[in-house]
Amino acid sequence: NAGVTQTPKFQVLKTGQSMTLQCAQDMNHEYMSWYRQDPGMGLRLIHYSVGAGITDQGEVPNGYNVSRSTTEDFPLRLLSAAPSQTSVYFCASSYSMGSTAYYGQYFGPGTRLTVT
Amino acid sequence: AQTVTQSQPEMSVQEAETVTLSCTYDTSESDYYLFWYKQPPSRQMILVIRQEAYKQQNATENRFSVNFQKAAKSFSLKISDSQLGDAAMYFCAYKKKSSGDKLTFGTGTRLAVRP
Repeated sequence: NAGVTQTPKFQVLKTGQSMTLQCAQDMNHEYMSWYRQDPGMGLRLIHYSVGAGITDQGEVPNGYNVSRSTTEDFPLRLLSAAPSQTSVYFCASSYSMGSTAYYGQYFGPGTRLTVT
Repeated sequence: AQTVTQSQPEMSVQEAETVTLSCTYDTSESDYYLFWYKQPPSRQMILVIRQEAYKQQNATENRFSVNFQKAAKSFSLKISDSQLGDAAMYFCAYKKKSSGDKLTFGTGTRLAVRP
């Protein structure tokens, strides 16, 4: 299994440009999430999904869109990039055994995004 | 809203010694999960250990163990026999049992290991 994969690993955008960060997992996990990591602030949840066709907002959703048409893929779209979106972005997936057990998230390698 | 606090931005330990990283959290829930993640310089987030709140027994994974104090809302990570490869950022995280996949992370502790 490849686990959770993210592309690209690095990206530089100009203010106002749009782009999509790709995330895929091959573990048949029901849950997928996007985080951003900024110095001194830990990881903050942007959007998450509990299954294909179902998404919801996290702590910092503004400026980002997501969709989940398949179990495997969960792309993150930046609509009009701003310097404040310069960050490292992580995708994660996880599963639960019904309502009785949850085992934590598996993370992708991250995408470092710079907006100039 | 739940919050997770890691009050030690940086820690240092001598190789082969033991170090404890602190984490406290705020919640009104009785059933939840707690995690420690490691982020080495490669940037990859790695799950180190997991604790279920309803279990009294502290979780252990090889050289890593936790001290879970539910009443005090404290969840510290002990690393025994520290190795150079343990040098990393360590993040504490909380998840309410009924919250699907929403984790709340602390701001992290950077651990240095001195040879």
